[in-house]
Amino acid sequence: QLRLQESGPGLVKPSETLSLTCIVSGGTISISTYYWGWIRLPPGKGLEWIGSIYYSGSTAYNVSLESRLTMSVDTSKNQFSLKLNSVTAADTAVYYCGRHYFGSGITWGQGLLVTVSS
Amino acid sequence: DIAMTQSPLSLSVTPGEPASISCRSSQSLLHNNGHNYLDWYLQKPGQSPQLLIYLGSSRASGVPDRFSGSGSGTEFTLKISRVEAEDVGVYYCMQALQTPRLTFGGGTKVEIK
Repeated sequence: QLRLQESGPGLVKPSETLSLTCIVSGGTISISTYYWGWIRLPPGKGLEWIGSIYYSGSTAYNVSLESRLTMSVDTSKNQFSLKLNSVTAADTAVYYCGRHYFGSGITWGQGLLVTVSS
Repeated sequence: DIAMTQSPLSLSVTPGEPASISCRSSQSLLHNNGHNYLDWYLQKPGQSPQLLIYLGSSRASGVPDRFSGSGSGTEFTLKISRVEAEDVGVYYCMQALQTPRLTFGGGTKVEIK
């Protein structure tokens, strides 16, 4: 059964870079069908799609974040990563990684709370 | 980008009574293959979101049949035929037509009276 697990620091200082990794188990990240994405839930707000990456490294980013965002994939480790630079308190959220493809819904990780604070 | 709008923002329901949530998209989600690329998710307190409905009206595996999705084009509805206590949480619609670019509705919070 597919499992996705977010890892990374729970606290990041303002203006620094938020770095998260999603470790995939129970399935291979290299299957051509799927996208691997990041979604976040800020406190008191709704879900926001951050961006997605294909196993080949092709990316799609939320236009509101793309100037600060880099996503990468490591097929040898079966994981993918997110880097968001110049963070502010507005980037405080629960960050979820997930697998999705056209028309069949998202398979979600358990989520990781990241707080931006000095 | 496709914008998604949900209503109402919140809903208080008596157990056993029906409930309905609306979702509207700024562009049609009907693909030329005949499918509407609209998902519904429920995020229960303290949990990750879970898929309820995909392709507008197909129930995900393990989802009780009291949940149903309908609609086409730009107007969609999630119905719960008889609300149970375990159905509390925030419901989101999401467009998948522009995959990999996804957009969520603002969410509808359902609570029990």
